[in-house]
Amino acid sequence: AQSVTQPDIHITVSEGASLELRCNYSYGATPYLFWYVQSPGQGLQLLLKYFSGDTLVQGIKGFEAEFKRSQSSFNLRKPSVHWSDAAEYFCAVGSMEYGNKLVFGAGTILRVKS
Amino acid sequence: DSGVTQTPKHLITATGQRVTLRCSPRSGDLSVYWYQQSLDQGLQFLIHYYNGEERAKGNILERFSAQQFPDLHSELNLSSLELGDSALYFCASSIQSGAHNEQFFGPGTRLTVL
Repeated sequence: AQSVTQPDIHITVSEGASLELRCNYSYGATPYLFWYVQSPGQGLQLLLKYFSGDTLVQGIKGFEAEFKRSQSSFNLRKPSVHWSDAAEYFCAVGSMEYGNKLVFGAGTILRVKS
Repeated sequence: DSGVTQTPKHLITATGQRVTLRCSPRSGDLSVYWYQQSLDQGLQFLIHYYNGEERAKGNILERFSAQQFPDLHSELNLSSLELGDSALYFCASSIQSGAHNEQFFGPGTRLTVL
């Protein structure tokens, strides 16, 4: 079965500092990988996705993620964090083999200090 | 704004009651997914409909049921409610049913069972 691990429940970074949120997945074939962001009281917004090809993908709001098959990882990065980036971030994996549903990690809450 | 609408935004009810959550997908989207977000279980896939037909079931209780109507809107029915059913329920839609299709999430319905 698919599973997604986000090892960091909370992360605090200073505004302007770089950010890396970790995501590891367990899946046999090539998964479809996603990062979503959820602001308080809001739904989930897609930041970026990876299906195939270039393993470094660019998303919205200056985020990028790198797929590393050997490490089963899909870490999210941003070079300079803004206070408005404070939110909860979810990594998710999907596959046709498992009915096209998304399996989500537990989420990482990002706090930005000024 | 994702284009997915969910009503109501908030719902407070008592144990043993039955409620109906409604979702209108983005214009043109044929797939509707339902997810439950709770503090202890995180984001869990419940069920997927494509063009009126059920395509996949996840961790959906027998007390819960859903359907997608000819106009493609969907309803999630929760009956014999228990305290543990208190959660945020999200609907998501996508153009097709493949796992690679981006799922657009609605703002959610927050259900509180007292």
